[in-house]
Amino acid sequence: GENVEQHPSTLSVQEGDSAVIKCTYSDSASNYFPWYKQELGKGPQLIIDIRSNVGEKKDQRIAVTLNKTAKHFSLHITETQPEDSAVYFCAVTGSARQLTFGSGTQLTVLP
Amino acid sequence: ETGVTQTPRHLVMGMTNKKSLKCEQHLGHNAMYWYKQSAKKPLELMFVYNFKEQTENNSVPSRFSPECPNSSHLFLHLHTLQPEDSALYLCASSQDGGDPNTGELFFGEGSRLTVL
Repeated sequence: GENVEQHPSTLSVQEGDSAVIKCTYSDSASNYFPWYKQELGKGPQLIIDIRSNVGEKKDQRIAVTLNKTAKHFSLHITETQPEDSAVYFCAVTGSARQLTFGSGTQLTVLP
Repeated sequence: ETGVTQTPRHLVMGMTNKKSLKCEQHLGHNAMYWYKQSAKKPLELMFVYNFKEQTENNSVPSRFSPECPNSSHLFLHLHTLQPEDSALYLCASSQDGGDPNTGELFFGEGSRLTVL
């Protein structure tokens, strides 16, 4: 089945700096790559997604890049703010037909 | 608010108890899901219901029994659980279950289960 690895598991950045989280996947048939944000005491919420026919997608301060050849995709958050502190999960849909999630990254934005 | 409501938010039960988790979605979606979230581990898909029919059972032990009476409600019946079943159980919904599933999932806030 699909194997999704997410790094780093924890990340601390100064407010205003950029944060990058990377995921690798194993199934070359994978074609959908969302990112979810989970705040304390809440369920995960979709923040951005990308499909296999594009290499990059941006939405204000967040962006996702996809390298299908290398089978990895990354979340980029610029000008980080304290409210960006949360756990971020990558996920992949491929041959398994349902989403396979990464193990999460705890992002802390230090004031 | 995500439009997906889970009750109870916290549950403590002994290994011989029977309890149920409830999920209700107000989004008009046709697919509902149960996920298990344990610390430092990926979200584990347990069950998928699409138009009230179970379309995925991810090798979940029979001590977990799902029920989907209609597209808006989903239950997870719990019986003779083990301490390792302690986790956050998340319910989610989506427009449809998709095959493959490339739609947005809307999660509830979860039910924190502790098995003593």
